[in-house]
Amino acid sequence: KAGVTQTPRYLIKTRGQQVTLSCSPISGHRSVSWYQQTPGQGLQFLFEYFSETQRNKGNFPGRFSGRQFSNSRSEMNVSTLELGDSALYLCASSLGGTAFYNEQFFGPGTRLTVL
Amino acid sequence: AQTVTQSQPEMSVQEAETVTLSCTYDTSESDYYLFWYKQPPSRQMILVIRQEAYKQQNATENRFSVNFQKAAKSFSLKISDSQLGDAAMYFCAYRSAFLGGSEKLVFGKGTKLTVNP
Repeated sequence: KAGVTQTPRYLIKTRGQQVTLSCSPISGHRSVSWYQQTPGQGLQFLFEYFSETQRNKGNFPGRFSGRQFSNSRSEMNVSTLELGDSALYLCASSLGGTAFYNEQFFGPGTRLTVL
Repeated sequence: AQTVTQSQPEMSVQEAETVTLSCTYDTSESDYYLFWYKQPPSRQMILVIRQEAYKQQNATENRFSVNFQKAAKSFSLKISDSQLGDAAMYFCAYRSAFLGGSEKLVFGKGTKLTVNP
């Protein structure tokens, strides 16, 4: 079974640009969560989607947005990039929505550098 | 809001020896999960061990075990017979156990573990 995939793996952008990152969950998984990882702030929750609906959202400005498609693939978008947006963006997927605990599986991440 | 604190930014251990990583958390919830995740230099985060708050018995996975003290809100990870492949960042994480609800993880800042040959 293929794991969580994230594309692209590396990205370099300049301030003011926008960027879209993609996450393909494990087949059959319907829940996708996004995290931002930086040396200073650590791992911070961005948002979570389940069956195309945003189920939870972290404390990030409105420049950060996301969505989930009917095939459970998810994208996150950051508009008007700032230097502080440079980070590793991790995506995690799980079955979601069941009455039991679901393990979350992480992707390898997308390394975004803003110049 | 829940918080997770890892007070040891870095730890080192000799190969074959035992090391304990510390974690404390704060929550007003009574039912939750606690996790230890490992992030090797290649960056893929993997789950090491999970503990359900309602279980008094400490979780164990091969060489990895936890010491869960619910009243003290403490959750430490013990790695026995350390191996070179154990070298990584280790993150303690919290998740509410509300079934069917959000699976949001709250992470500590991490502990970098070095294993010396």
